[in-house]
Amino acid sequence: QKEVEQDPGPLSVPEGAIVSLNCTYSNSAFQYFMWYRQYSRKGPELLMYTYSSGNKEDGRFTAQVDKSSKYISLFIRDSQPSDSATYLCAMSGSGGYQKVTFGTGTKLQVIP
Amino acid sequence: ETGVTQSPTHLIKTRGQQVTLRCSSQSGHNTVSWYQQALGQGPQFIFQYYREEENGRGNFPPRFSGLQFPNYSSELNVNALELDDSALYLCASSFNDRIPYGYTFGSGTRLTVV
Repeated sequence: QKEVEQDPGPLSVPEGAIVSLNCTYSNSAFQYFMWYRQYSRKGPELLMYTYSSGNKEDGRFTAQVDKSSKYISLFIRDSQPSDSATYLCAMSGSGGYQKVTFGTGTKLQVIP
Repeated sequence: ETGVTQSPTHLIKTRGQQVTLRCSSQSGHNTVSWYQQALGQGPQFIFQYYREEENGRGNFPPRFSGLQFPNYSSELNVNALELDDSALYLCASSFNDRIPYGYTFGSGTRLTVV
């Protein structure tokens, strides 16, 4: 079993839709939870991060972490064609050096 | 200088050959991590360098090695290339090795082994 599981999609939605992206994980030591966006032929760019459980909102994006269920989500409101990309969840422990473990990524297409 | 730059952008090598990939980090970033991203997969951690010393390594064999230089540049070397080494190699730099969300990624080097 992989430490981080993510539905690869692809996910296709109409412009304006609410998008829900999810990951599950098995490592209880994970404390930092991150979402990256990766456009074709580019490196990942950080969208949001959360420490421990809870919600965090940034514009149209909301990240949720439920450590009791080992489940994290990213919601995108009013999705735009420019949101079309691959979304990667990533996780890490805390305290000293910690490597970052990525999910496989979900490919999202927002159709105008 | 801002951003992380990687060179070359694309590379084709023959099985058994050796390859060196290069990364130029943002000024002031003393930590660099290298990742391998196979097609349709997420990035897999290869290793990390902090102030020119390797301080973490993923599940990759010793034929994957690296160097970090004082001028914020670094290298990833792969010996005895195998077909499965074909992937996008990503470099990520940060000013602090204790902040996992602080990394800036380059656009990567696409390596094809034939």
